[in-house]
Amino acid sequence: EAQVTQNPRYLITVTGKKLTVTCSQNMNHEYMSWYRQDPGLGLRQIYYSMNVEVTDKGDVPEGYKVSRKEKRNFPLILESPSPNQTSLYFCASSLDAGLGTQYFGPGTRLLVL
Amino acid sequence: KQEVTQIPAALSVPEGENLVLNCSFTDSAIYNLQWFRQDPGKGLTSLLLIQSSQREQTSGRLNASLDKSSGRSTLYIAASQPGDSATYLCASMDSSYKLIFGSGTRLLVRP
Repeated sequence: EAQVTQNPRYLITVTGKKLTVTCSQNMNHEYMSWYRQDPGLGLRQIYYSMNVEVTDKGDVPEGYKVSRKEKRNFPLILESPSPNQTSLYFCASSLDAGLGTQYFGPGTRLLVL
Repeated sequence: KQEVTQIPAALSVPEGENLVLNCSFTDSAIYNLQWFRQDPGKGLTSLLLIQSSQREQTSGRLNASLDKSSGRSTLYIAASQPGDSATYLCASMDSSYKLIFGSGTRLLVRP
């Protein structure tokens, strides 16, 4: 089954404790992206990647890191999480950045205490 | 900086009605315009993607139009059904493949 998977789905952590949210797709998609969704602020893009080793900042990249060493994986790294990073995070992928339908993962709900 | 606005924020209609959701953007230099659907507590589903060179796209009862010169896109839903109840999001993609979302229109279709 074609899908985008994220892990973990739910995470409670404390300020400053490094964490990684994994994202994997099995569709051989080139474009992958991370978003955060907050009440009143909507969905905002954090980072995106056009292909392996090619990443770029979205609208709200501060406090986040990403890497794209393999085509299928696009982990989101929070080196020193802060409470303002408490949010619902979505990963998505598409065959091509500008042409393809985006497939979204189920979301990761993060609470930083 | 691109800003994407969706009006209205919420809409309630009786079943069977045809309806239009609006999306406006400030920078007309877009690469494409995308529409998504989000169901409560769930992820997002891509509905339609309109390239900057296109005027509209259709999928079933959905039709999305794009007018770059006026900075507007509309999503037309024909013969609405209760199952169409969801939040609808539009997003513009620029030439560097960055995606900016609107805040969404929450649609309720009453039986």
